Amino acid sequence: QKEVEQNSGPLSVPEGAIASLNCTYSDRGSQSFFWYRQYSGKSPELIMFIYSNGDKEDGRFTAQLNKASQYVSLLIRDSQPSDSATYLCAVTDTNDYKLSFGAGTTVTVRA
Amino acid sequence: NAGVMQNPRHLVRRRGQEARLRCSPMKGHSHVYWYRQLPEEGLKFMVYLQKENIIDESGMPKERFSAEFPKEGPSILRIQQVVRGDSAAYFCASSPQGVPPDQNTEAFFGQGTRLTVV
Repeated sequence: QKEVEQNSGPLSVPEGAIASLNCTYSDRGSQSFFWYRQYSGKSPELIMFIYSNGDKEDGRFTAQLNKASQYVSLLIRDSQPSDSATYLCAVTDTNDYKLSFGAGTTVTVRA
Repeated sequence: NAGVMQNPRHLVRRRGQEARLRCSPMKGHSHVYWYRQLPEEGLKFMVYLQKENIIDESGMPKERFSAEFPKEGPSILRIQQVVRGDSAAYFCASSPQGVPPDQNTEAFFGQGTRLTVV
């Protein structure tokens, strides 16, 4: 499987701050990039996907992709306690249905 | 509209016993994927199935593990002669078609089965 690395956590941010999560991947053929949120003991939930270089914004979430650097990030603005979870980066290529996941970064938002 | 249903949610087995994990995909979904999540690790792909067919089992351990998705009924992941290293969360996901996930073909995950081998 493709290697996907995420910045080690846990990441603790105060409420209202920006949480920044990073992910690098080894396979230059990777085309699709996903961020999943997983609450403790729950299933992964897709929150963002991105295919093109640049930024993609959805509410308080912004995904950033730089294929040249093989890097994808997720910014969470105005962090809320309900954002406390593990965030999983996943990648796949154009013809592959298999998701390759990173180990995840645990975020804790302090009230 | 029920989501992906997995059962049991928690399963305890003694070493050497068999574990059977079940997954019912979302209504209208005919593609099922199994992933394993070891403690402190990300999800690892195990197997991809369509009804009555194994499409890709490249992530399955060579021994003791098998999967099926019969014409009728749920997909089953079977682990024979379990060992402590099999303790993990096993997640099933389903999608309406077997293409890379995107906004139209998102793979939805079930709640997982947490297997503990004692």
